This record gives sequence, structure tokens and C-alpha cells, in this order.
Amino acid sequence: DGGITQSPKYLFRKEGQNVTLSCEQNLNHDAMYWYRQDPGQGLRLIYYSQIVNDFQKGDIAEGYSVSREKKESFPLTVTSAQKNPTAFYLCASSILWGTDVNTEAFFGQGTRLTVV
Amino acid sequence: AQTVTQSQPEMSVQEAETVTLSCTYDTSESDYYLFWYKQPPSRQMILVIRQEAYKQQNATENRFSVNFQKAAKSFSLKISDSQLGDAAMYFCAYRNAGGTSYGKLTFGQGTILTVHP
Repeated sequence: DGGITQSPKYLFRKEGQNVTLSCEQNLNHDAMYWYRQDPGQGLRLIYYSQIVNDFQKGDIAEGYSVSREKKESFPLTVTSAQKNPTAFYLCASSILWGTDVNTEAFFGQGTRLTVV
Repeated sequence: AQTVTQSQPEMSVQEAETVTLSCTYDTSESDYYLFWYKQPPSRQMILVIRQEAYKQQNATENRFSVNFQKAAKSFSLKISDSQLGDAAMYFCAYRNAGGTSYGKLTFGQGTILTVHP
């Protein structure tokens, strides 16, 4: 059963702590993405990766870090430098090199991060 | 940098009627993809429809169709025969098909659609 799995669904962080959000896909997709969504807002791109061992900053990368050591995995670390991390985080993946019919992104179910 | 703008924060429609959601984008690329996604209260993102920039024909998927105006950089979504299940937040998205930011996927701010019975 192919798809994208984000874990955990809910995450609580104390101020000053780093936390890591997991994203795994078994779709053999090339690209992976992390987005942040605030209440009633759109999706803002944090980082994306086109290929293993490479990634690009999105529009709001400050205070976040990522790694892409395996094609299937793209974990996001929210560091203590991110001053307002409470938000809903969505991970996505897509094929980059293939037929047009497969160009859309597939999304995980999200992680709700709350600073306590 | 590419930007996507949805100028309608909220829209409403009567059940069985038609509604159009607006989207404009800014890019210097000639090849790209455009999408509309739906996000219901469950927050699961669902693809509604896609459009390839090199195709002049507007995409359609059952009750959903787009009006793609490449020169105007406009990509509106028309929902016909609206149903209660169409109520959701709708996002317009742009994806590069070339260059160093190949595959970068950018979203608009979203439009909340309410469907009245």
C-alpha cells in the first residue's frame, strides 16, 4: 500500500528544544517537500529536495533543517532558532522525471506541532 | 521567484449552482504545471485538477474545469453543480518544469469555499 507517512500526528515541544518530524514515502518519488500551514493560511514552502543528498531552501527556511540521506526519507528538524514553531506541517512527494500524468504531489496527513 | 495569488479569501455558493475560484501566478518560465488542490476539514490534501502549460486545451475532471489563460497568467477553477462535499479550502499551485528550481511547488494563500444547502 503505497503512500506518504508522517509521524507523529501530534507533537509537543518545550521552548528551547529541537524536535524532528518524520516523513517517509514508498512511492519511489524523486522529490520531497516540507510545508508549514498556519490557521486559515496557505502552505508555505520550508525546504524541498530534488535528489538524495541535496535540498533547496524554500521561502521560510530559517529555524529549520532537513536531510535527504535516503530517497524514501526527508526528516525535518525544527530548531530552537525557530521562534514561532506552533503550526501544522505537511510533507509531500512527487515524481520529477516521468510522464505528465504523474506530476502532482502526494501529501502525508500532517503533524501538528505545539510549543508548550 | 514564482508567486501564486488567490485574491478571494472566501467564496460561497448554493448547492447545485456554479462557482469560479480565481488564481494568478507570476513566472518567467515557459514550461510549468498548474494544479488545484482541495483541503477538507480533515486537512488531507486532495488533487482536484492539473494543467500542463504547453497544452492549450483547458483541463476538465467531471464537474471541475479550469480556464487557463497563459498570456494573462491566470488559472481559474470552475465547479459546476456544487455539492455539499465540495466545501473545503482550495489551493492553487504552481510547479516549475525546468531550471535550477525544477520541481519547486508553490501554493497560493487558499480560498475557503462554503456550500449552502
